[in-house]
Amino acid sequence: EVQLVESGGGLVQPGGSLRLSCTASGFTFSSYWMHWLRQAPGKGLVWVSRIKYDGTYTAYADSVKGRFTISRDNAKNTLSLEMNSLTAEDTAVYYCAREWSGWAYSWGQGTQVTVSS
Amino acid sequence: ETVLTQSPATLSLSPGERATLSCRASQYISDYLAWYQQKPGQAPSLLIYDTSNRATGVPSRFSGSGSGTDFTLTISSLEPEDFAVYYCQQRTTFGQGTKVEFK
Repeated sequence: EVQLVESGGGLVQPGGSLRLSCTASGFTFSSYWMHWLRQAPGKGLVWVSRIKYDGTYTAYADSVKGRFTISRDNAKNTLSLEMNSLTAEDTAVYYCAREWSGWAYSWGQGTQVTVSS
Repeated sequence: ETVLTQSPATLSLSPGERATLSCRASQYISDYLAWYQQKPGQAPSLLIYDTSNRATGVPSRFSGSGSGTDFTLTISSLEPEDFAVYYCQQRTTFGQGTKVEFK
C-alpha cells in the first residue's frame, strides 16, 4: 500500500524558514516523480513544486520560485521542501503527492504550516 | 498560464440525482485534464485523469468527458459519500472547486 507521511510543519514567524519532509513507503520511491501542493485555509488547491525521480529536474510555482527548494533522498525514501522567506500567504496545509502519468495520483494527509508573528 | 473556471460554485442535490460539473479552460489543453475529490478534513484523491480515465478504485458512476477547452465531470447517481468538493486540474493549475452539497 502506498503511504506518504508529511512532517515538519508548524508555526513560524514571517521571514522565517521551515523544512518539510515526506516519507514514502509501499512503492519504489526512486521510480516516481513527486510533487508538493498546498491548500490555504478554506481555499482551493495550489501546485507548488515537482521533482523528477532522480532529482535532476525541478519546477516551481511562480509564487515560491527563489524561496522554496524541493529535493529528494532516494536512499531514504524521503522528499523534502525547504521553505525560506515565509510570509502569511504561505500559510497552508502542505501535501506531498506521487505522480503517475503526469498527475498527482497518491497524496499524503498533509502537514500544517502557519506563518504568523 | 491556463486558467480553469469551474461552474457552478455550489451544486445542491439529493442522493440519487445526477450531478454535472463543468470546467472551462482559458486556452486549448487537449485532453490534459484531471478531476479530484476532496472530503472535509481529508486529502484530495484523484478521480479522473486525461479527461475520461477513472483512477483505480473509482466507481463507474463517475465519468469525465470533453476536450479542448470544455470539460465535464458527471456523477450519474449521487451516493451519500459523493457530497464533497471537486477540483479540476491541468498540470500546474487548479480550478477553484465545485462543492456538491445536500439539498
